[in-house]
Amino acid sequence: SQKIEQNSEALNIQEGKTATLTCNYTNYSPAYLQWYRQDPGRGPVFLLLIRENEKEKRKERLKVTFDTTLKQSLFHITASQPADSATYLCALDEGSARQLTFGSGTQLTVLP
Amino acid sequence: DGGITQSPKYLFRKEGQNVTLSCEQNLNHDAMYWYRQDPGQGLRLIYYSQIVNDFQKGDIAEGYSVSREKKESFPLTVTSAQKNPTAFYLCASSIGGGLRETQYFGPGTRLLVL
Repeated sequence: SQKIEQNSEALNIQEGKTATLTCNYTNYSPAYLQWYRQDPGRGPVFLLLIRENEKEKRKERLKVTFDTTLKQSLFHITASQPADSATYLCALDEGSARQLTFGSGTQLTVLP
Repeated sequence: DGGITQSPKYLFRKEGQNVTLSCEQNLNHDAMYWYRQDPGQGLRLIYYSQIVNDFQKGDIAEGYSVSREKKESFPLTVTSAQKNPTAFYLCASSIGGGLRETQYFGPGTRLLVL
């Protein structure tokens, strides 16, 4: 069956450092990969989408990489701030699939 | 403001009771979705609709029903057949009917069983 794994534990980092979150997948050949941010008790908010033929995508302090050989995406937040503390979800869509499949998320805490 | 609204924020269900969760969007999106989120887990797709008067089952449709009579509305009914309904329910929409598109989420409804 298809499976998505994100960092299994919560991630704590110091303010100003770069946070790196991992999304690994098996049995997929995704055409797209998306990252969302979810705050407690709220709905997810879209951050970035990267296509299979793109190696890297940037938006302000955010960067996403997509390695289809390793079946992995990395999500980076540079110069992290306490306001970046949230759960980050990756989501995959396979070319022939009829739905977007979400990982369980990584809870990031940026310590002041 | 454009967006997705869900109501109520909290909903309590008695055993054997059907309850309906509301989802409305004014983004003029064609596609709408319902997800269920349990603690420490990802979102699981219940139902989705790519166009008015049409909808498809997701991974965990048993015990749920939906309708899509209007483009802007996609209510979800949690029936008495759903034995473990306690969860956080999220509604989402996307511009086109394709499931590859960015999804916009509502604020969610938390359903609790009395």
